[in-house]
Amino acid sequence: DGGITQSPKYLFRKEGQNVTLSCEQNLNHDAMYWYRQDPGQGLRLIYYSQIVNDFQKGDIAEGYSVSREKKESFPLTVTSAQKNPTAFYLCASSSQWSSYEQYFGPGTRLTVT
Amino acid sequence: AQSVTQPDIHITVSEGASLELRCNYSYGATPYLFWYVQSPGQGLQLLLKYFSGDTLVQGIKGFEAEFKRSQSSFNLRKPSVHWSDAAEYFCAVGAPGNSGGSNYKLTFGKGTLLTVNP
Repeated sequence: DGGITQSPKYLFRKEGQNVTLSCEQNLNHDAMYWYRQDPGQGLRLIYYSQIVNDFQKGDIAEGYSVSREKKESFPLTVTSAQKNPTAFYLCASSSQWSSYEQYFGPGTRLTVT
Repeated sequence: AQSVTQPDIHITVSEGASLELRCNYSYGATPYLFWYVQSPGQGLQLLLKYFSGDTLVQGIKGFEAEFKRSQSSFNLRKPSVHWSDAAEYFCAVGAPGNSGGSNYKLTFGKGTLLTVNP
């Protein structure tokens, strides 16, 4: 079945450590996105990529980094510079041939203590 | 820049009652509009979308939404709510990405949490 995989479901890290969240899709979508979700805040866009080896900052990119070396993969690194990294992180993808609707993965809950 | 407002943070309805969740958007051109649903600890699932044409759109799970340009609204409705509809609902507006590519960014509202009483 086609879809988006995010792993792990839960992730725990100590403050000051970088951590990388995985996102893989087998939908053959060109574009991929990372969102952060906090209670009562909705989803906020961190980074997005429309094509391999290219990505753009979203609304809250500070303290995060991404790469897009393969079409199916878009890992997100939460660096130690991110001041409040504890959140629920969602990855999504879309295709221009499906009217731009985004398909979401199950999310990763990151807790930093 | 586009924005989305969902005025109701939390709504409680009885099972079998009708439902309307409000969404207002701000966008200079013709918007692409979406409603998503999220169960606790899960990803988002698309309920329905509007791009053009008929302003009343049908979605999955018996939901529908009506685009009203004059009111900048895209309210979600369901005639009879089921207990399984309890979840958080997000309205979103789509706009072209900064680089002018053909894939769109979505701006989300802050969500409306729906509780269904038996």
